Amino acid sequence: QLQLQESGPGLVKPSETLSLTCTVSGGSISSSSYYWGWIRQPPGKGLEWIGSIYYSGSTYYNPSLKSRVTISVDTSKNQFSLKLSSVTAADTAVYYCGLIIAAAGTVNEWGQGTLVTVSS
Amino acid sequence: SYVLTQPPSVSVAPGKTARITCGGNNIGSKSVHWYQQKPGQAPVLVIYYDSDRPSGIPERFSGSNSGNTATLTISRVEAGDEADYYCQVWDSSSVWVFGGGTKLTVL
Repeated sequence: QLQLQESGPGLVKPSETLSLTCTVSGGSISSSSYYWGWIRQPPGKGLEWIGSIYYSGSTYYNPSLKSRVTISVDTSKNQFSLKLSSVTAADTAVYYCGLIIAAAGTVNEWGQGTLVTVSS
Repeated sequence: SYVLTQPPSVSVAPGKTARITCGGNNIGSKSVHWYQQKPGQAPVLVIYYDSDRPSGIPERFSGSNSGNTATLTISRVEAGDEADYYCQVWDSSSVWVFGGGTKLTVL
């Protein structure tokens, strides 16, 4: 069974870039059956889709975050990554990476989530 | 962009039926998926393609979708069903959209 694990700094300063990596185990990130996505959840609030990437490198971003987001994939390491620039306190959230079934658009597997706090 | 609207909260007594709605413009023309999220945990898919259940999800969970409203129905509600529930669609412009979430309270 595919498993996902987020990693990266838990504290980022305002105006800096948030960088997270999701490591996929138990399967190949190069499968044409999946997209790979990032979703976040501010404390006490709902889920927000950040963006998704296909193994080919095609990316899809939330229009509200598009100007600040970059998602990339490293097939050699079976990882995909998120960069969010110019962060503010509003970007404080639990960040989840997820496996998305390409045919359905469902997030079938989730990482455990990692809390990123934006503070000086 | 496409917007999904859920009631902030729904309350139900144990053994009764809970219905959680998800409103969107002509949502009946889209496939709706539902996730359950318990405190401190990642979400779990409970319904996909409007009404299909992943393996391991009890038959008490069902879904429907028509017109401008999709509905998640939980029959014979148990204390363990208390959680936040989110609807989600995959919009035609290749964006994923979540509803604002509904907190289900079991009285």
